[in-house]
Amino acid sequence: NAGVTQTPKFRVLKTGQSMTLLCAQDMNHEYMYWYRQDPGMGLRLIHYSVGEGTTAKGEVPDGYNVSRLKKQNFLLGLESAAPSQTSVYFCASSYSLDTTNTGELFFGEGSRLTVL
Amino acid sequence: AQTVTQSQPEMSVQEAETVTLSCTYDTSENNYYLFWYKQPPSRQMILVIRQEAYKQQNATENRFSVNFQKAAKSFSLKISDSQLGDTAMYFCAFMKPFAGNMLTFGGGTRLMVKP
Repeated sequence: NAGVTQTPKFRVLKTGQSMTLLCAQDMNHEYMYWYRQDPGMGLRLIHYSVGEGTTAKGEVPDGYNVSRLKKQNFLLGLESAAPSQTSVYFCASSYSLDTTNTGELFFGEGSRLTVL
Repeated sequence: AQTVTQSQPEMSVQEAETVTLSCTYDTSENNYYLFWYKQPPSRQMILVIRQEAYKQQNATENRFSVNFQKAAKSFSLKISDSQLGDTAMYFCAFMKPFAGNMLTFGGGTRLMVKP
């Protein structure tokens, strides 16, 4: 059981380049999320999805796009990378909250992105 | 919108001693969940403990316990019998239920357990 898998783990981009981060989960979770982690700021929500084909903006969505064409996958795209997007990106997933689930989010191992 | 504040950027404790990490939050919600996550040097985020706001009893998980003060909007984490493996970043997080399970995180506390 792999849980939540992110690819790639590391990437270096030049300003203006584009890239896509892929998140895959094998737990049949309805909800998926992309966070970014910066020193002293904790994790901040970029975009999230409550089901296949649906996405919504989080706290810091500017400069990012997402897609969830399949329930198990959640893609994060940077169309024109900027140095301010240098960060560690985390994908997470969870069941929808009900009386039998704890609401726990399960995280991937993170992807370190550097934009020069 | 909710905010979560962790006022201790760094802390240290001797092995086998007890340490308490502070967390305060601001919300107008009455029903919510609070979490502590641990991030060791491997970067993996690991759930430590969870508290439901409607429960008055403080949550405990082995050596980890919380002091939940709803009126004061305070949610501190106590680690007893600290171990070297407890060295990590600790994040306090808030969740409004039935609204996408989104977590709002504090800035984190870096804990160093010294031998």
